[in-house]
Amino acid sequence: DQQVKQNSPSLSVQEGRISILNCDYTNSMFDYFLWYKKYPAEGPTFLISISSIKDKNEDGRFTVFLNKSAKHLSLHIVPSQPGDSAVYFCAASVIIQGAQKLVFGQGTRLTINP
Amino acid sequence: DAGVIQSPRHEVTEMGQEVTLRCKPISGHNSLFWYRQTMMRGLELLIYFNNNVPIDDSGMPEDRFSAKMPNASFSTLKIQPSEPRDSAVYFCASRFYSGTEARPQHFGDGTRLSIL
Repeated sequence: DQQVKQNSPSLSVQEGRISILNCDYTNSMFDYFLWYKKYPAEGPTFLISISSIKDKNEDGRFTVFLNKSAKHLSLHIVPSQPGDSAVYFCAASVIIQGAQKLVFGQGTRLTINP
Repeated sequence: DAGVIQSPRHEVTEMGQEVTLRCKPISGHNSLFWYRQTMMRGLELLIYFNNNVPIDDSGMPEDRFSAKMPNASFSTLKIQPSEPRDSAVYFCASRFYSGTEARPQHFGDGTRLSIL
């Protein structure tokens, strides 16, 4: 039962263009969504988040969009840079007994070509 | 500021041996999480603690796995006896939760475990 899905295992984008990573979820109880970035041999690093009461959050080159009716969120990176090459994980959060439980997607490997 | 610190970074041992993974969360954080990452299952939550108390261990695969958090600055994940299928990268994460504001979890760099 995969509650959070990233259907694209990989994505290749030209430097300077826009990268769009997608994520779908099934549980309407999720109240907070996050994107993490992961380099090899390192732990996931928090990138950007969005509350379920919003539909957009922007931080520099990174924007996350949430479509609650479609249970879909996306991460836009513009312009894409070579350093953005990494695996990106989408995660959805639900609070259980005062602690946040995150459910992760399988990840999308983004490659930025110079 | 120091992030989440995990040790060891790499562990190679023979099946049947006891394995202990360690985690020091970020100072001031009150929630701690253990995750396992494999090719087949991705990143999955094993157990989490809130204020040093285990809240949900439903992700722990078997009784061979146990986790403790004796104080706010230290946690262990133990596998006894270990099996080759336990080979994976194990991550620890922590966060501060106030009950009002959602905040992200911060991850350590993981322990790569290989059971021969």
